[in-house]
Amino acid sequence: GQNIDQPTEMTATEGAIVQINCTYQTSGFNGLFWYQQHAGEAPTFLSYNVLDGLEEKGRFSSFLSRSKGYSYLLLKELQMKDSASYLCAVRQTNAGKSTFGDGTTLTVKP
Amino acid sequence: NAGVTQTPKFQVLKTGQSMTLQCAQDMNHEYMSWYRQDPGMGLRLIHYSVGAGITDQGEVPNGYNVSRSTTEDFPLRLLSAAPSQTSVYFCASSPDGYGYTFGSGTRLTVV
Repeated sequence: GQNIDQPTEMTATEGAIVQINCTYQTSGFNGLFWYQQHAGEAPTFLSYNVLDGLEEKGRFSSFLSRSKGYSYLLLKELQMKDSASYLCAVRQTNAGKSTFGDGTTLTVKP
Repeated sequence: NAGVTQTPKFQVLKTGQSMTLQCAQDMNHEYMSWYRQDPGMGLRLIHYSVGAGITDQGEVPNGYNVSRSTTEDFPLRLLSAAPSQTSVYFCASSPDGYGYTFGSGTRLTVV
């Protein structure tokens, strides 16, 4: 089976750095995604990690440790528009299947 | 390119009615999926397809059917709507099973 855990809510201040954690237990693992979802909108792809380590994309970075079943999304220089839900998803060995966590709602305050 | 197009955007059904949610993509993507998202929760996979003529069940397939007769289209059929199927439905596509592009969603209410 699949089990993916993320904090439900986080709050951070504009201009700060925030780290959103995701832990997973899965019977088949073939990578981990992060998606951003603004309220009332569709998810948009942020990152994909399949190897251990840090992947950096501008203000956003994603980290993966396969041995620990752990990932995090790091957001730097927070902006108000970063207020959204962030979804962690595990891509299974069967490439057509991805399992999502319940998401972390991030609120950025002035 | 239109990307992933879902229709309708909103729908109200009565219990027991059937309907088809449409999904079309113009990116020649092989992989397509249907998800439902309930309030405050993540996405749960209903059905998915890895190419035309190939479909398989996800986590929550009961009450739903799919078909994939062409690469472009992946309709989701509700057989007999129930209030528990009230949700937001997202269709998504990918060229290779990696980063998916999502449609804008269908908001379904079953009364």
